[in-house]
Amino acid sequence: KNEVEQSPQNLTAQEGEFITINCSYSVGISALHWLQQHPGGGIVSLFMLSSGKKKHGRLIATINIQEKHSSLHITASHPRDSAVYICAVSDIQGAQKLVFGQGTRLTINP
Amino acid sequence: NAGVTQTPKFRILKIGQSMTLQCTQDMNHNYMYWYRQDPGMGLKLIYYSVGAGITDKGEVPNGYNVSRSTTEDFPLRLELAAPSQTSVYFCASIPGQGAWGNTIYFGEGSWLTVV
Repeated sequence: KNEVEQSPQNLTAQEGEFITINCSYSVGISALHWLQQHPGGGIVSLFMLSSGKKKHGRLIATINIQEKHSSLHITASHPRDSAVYICAVSDIQGAQKLVFGQGTRLTINP
Repeated sequence: NAGVTQTPKFRILKIGQSMTLQCTQDMNHNYMYWYRQDPGMGLKLIYYSVGAGITDKGEVPNGYNVSRSTTEDFPLRLELAAPSQTSVYFCASIPGQGAWGNTIYFGEGSWLTVV
């Protein structure tokens, strides 16, 4: 069993739909990261969470430390949101090494 | 600021050849990492460094070496390339100690094919 599990692995939706991507982890963490990877490969950080909820534009990320679960929500989805979304957790040791989920491939159709 | 810069972006190697992937960051970050991404798999940690002169193995270090002579640079050396090293490689950095849970910055990736 992977230490970080994402669901779904693939998601196709229509423009305007509300999107939810889930991430569960089984290890102790110091922080959880949501990352975005567009075709062509570059990876950018969307959120870093250690508790609660964060919002940036149409993106919302939540984390429940007790349940070891996080969700990434996209409101009013747009074709430009099409990308791979990756959940990663920082270990609790000093080096903050990341353990990654396999990613969720999101396609938003116009 | 350029952020994290990786070179080359694409490279084809023959089996047994060696090469170095370069990584430079201009943010004065202490912690740097090399990850590889294989199709359908999550990124895996190859090597990491918590400061100049300090490096350590990650999850998949075999066939690779690193050095960290300066804060800015963290090159990854592939010795005797094998087809199993065909992958996309990402360098990343964070500020480091005293600022845990910081945003992580990635380079744009290096696509390596070993034939």
